[in-house]
Amino acid sequence: GAVVSQHPSWVICKSGTSVKIECRSLDFQATTMFWYRQFPKQSLMLMATSNEGSKATYEQGVEKDKFLINHASLTLSTLTVTSAHPEDSSFYICSARDRGQGAQPQHFGDGTRLSIL
Amino acid sequence: QKEVEQNSGPLSVPEGAIASLNCTYSDRGSQSFFWYRQYSGKSPELIMFIYSNGDKEDGRFTAQLNKASQYVSLLIRDSQPSDSATYLCAVKSGNTPLVFGKGTRLSVIA
Repeated sequence: GAVVSQHPSWVICKSGTSVKIECRSLDFQATTMFWYRQFPKQSLMLMATSNEGSKATYEQGVEKDKFLINHASLTLSTLTVTSAHPEDSSFYICSARDRGQGAQPQHFGDGTRLSIL
Repeated sequence: QKEVEQNSGPLSVPEGAIASLNCTYSDRGSQSFFWYRQYSGKSPELIMFIYSNGDKEDGRFTAQLNKASQYVSLLIRDSQPSDSATYLCAVKSGNTPLVFGKGTRLSVIA
């Protein structure tokens, strides 16, 4: 089945550091990937939609200069949290959908738990 | 504003019973409907998806869709303690991103 790999799974770093998270579709091509954030005991919140070869589409309230998204190939999207602060600590999850399957499900990576000290 | 509503729970059922999880959605143009399971501290995993009115069965799971009532449900037969998790209903139209409900927390009591 469709596998989405996300790396790293856990990051602990100092305030002001920039952190890059990678999301790869391992056995399918994804023109579109999605980045979510989830705070403890809360629901998934869509941050942005990452489109291969073009600019990402950000949800209202998400700072595009803070959360840089690059989708340079059909199998890789990256999210960089720039100058991270403690309030950015959260569970970040990527998701991807097979390029040829508009109605098919989104498959999720295992998530990245980000802790900013 | 597209909305997906779920009862947050917790829904507690005894082991071996049927767990019934419900979801309503606001966008009448929605075409695809998904149920994900999320264990605490983990990312969501797909359980089932359904596109057409009626029932779809997969093992112990049955998804039910009623587009006229804008209602989706998930039945879990012979519930096990390992089924205890948060169940997310998600809805999609066309190529737009999934819209998730806030999830229902299910607790299966041994």
